[in-house]
Amino acid sequence: AQSVTQLDSQVPVFEEAPVELRCNYSSSVSVYLFWYVQYPNQGLQLLLKYLSGSTLVKGINGFEAEFNKSQTSFHLRKPSVHISDTAEYFCAVLKTSYDKVIFGPGTSLSVIP
Amino acid sequence: EAGVTQSPTHLIKTRGQQVTLRCSPISGHTSVYWYQQALGLGLQFLLWYDEGEERNRGNFPPRFSGRQFPNYSSELNVNALELEDSALYLCASSVGQVNSPLHFGNGTRLTVT
Repeated sequence: AQSVTQLDSQVPVFEEAPVELRCNYSSSVSVYLFWYVQYPNQGLQLLLKYLSGSTLVKGINGFEAEFNKSQTSFHLRKPSVHISDTAEYFCAVLKTSYDKVIFGPGTSLSVIP
Repeated sequence: EAGVTQSPTHLIKTRGQQVTLRCSPISGHTSVYWYQQALGLGLQFLLWYDEGEERNRGNFPPRFSGRQFPNYSSELNVNALELEDSALYLCASSVGQVNSPLHFGNGTRLTVT
């Protein structure tokens, strides 16, 4: 079965500090990978996606993620966070056989002034 | 471009009642997905419709059902409401291609008392 793990449920970080949000997945087939962000009282918004090609993917708002096939990971990073980055972040996986998108449990990022 | 719209935004029902939630996808999108986001449980996949047909279904009881109309809008119906159905119900749409990202609405907050 396919699953997505986000080991950190909450990540507090000071403003302008770097951050890494971890995501690991399990799948016996090739996958597409996504990171979404959810601001309070809103739906989810796509940050970035990995479909194929370069393993380093750049997204909106200065975020980037690196696909590591051997470690089945897709960690999200930002070199310097802002207060406005405070939100819930979800990693998601889609099997290339066109199955449903599975979301991880989410990581709550809190940026401290 | 108008985003995914969901109605109503908030809803309060009592146990045993029935509810219908509505979703209008982005123009040109043929796929609609429904997710349940209950407190502490992340996003749980409910249903996926594409071109008017149900393509996949999550591990939810049959009292959760839905449909997609010829204009690609969708309804989610929940019968015999239970307290644990209280959640944010998110609708997402995509263009229907295998690796297309999901575009989410802001959700319907359902409270069952």
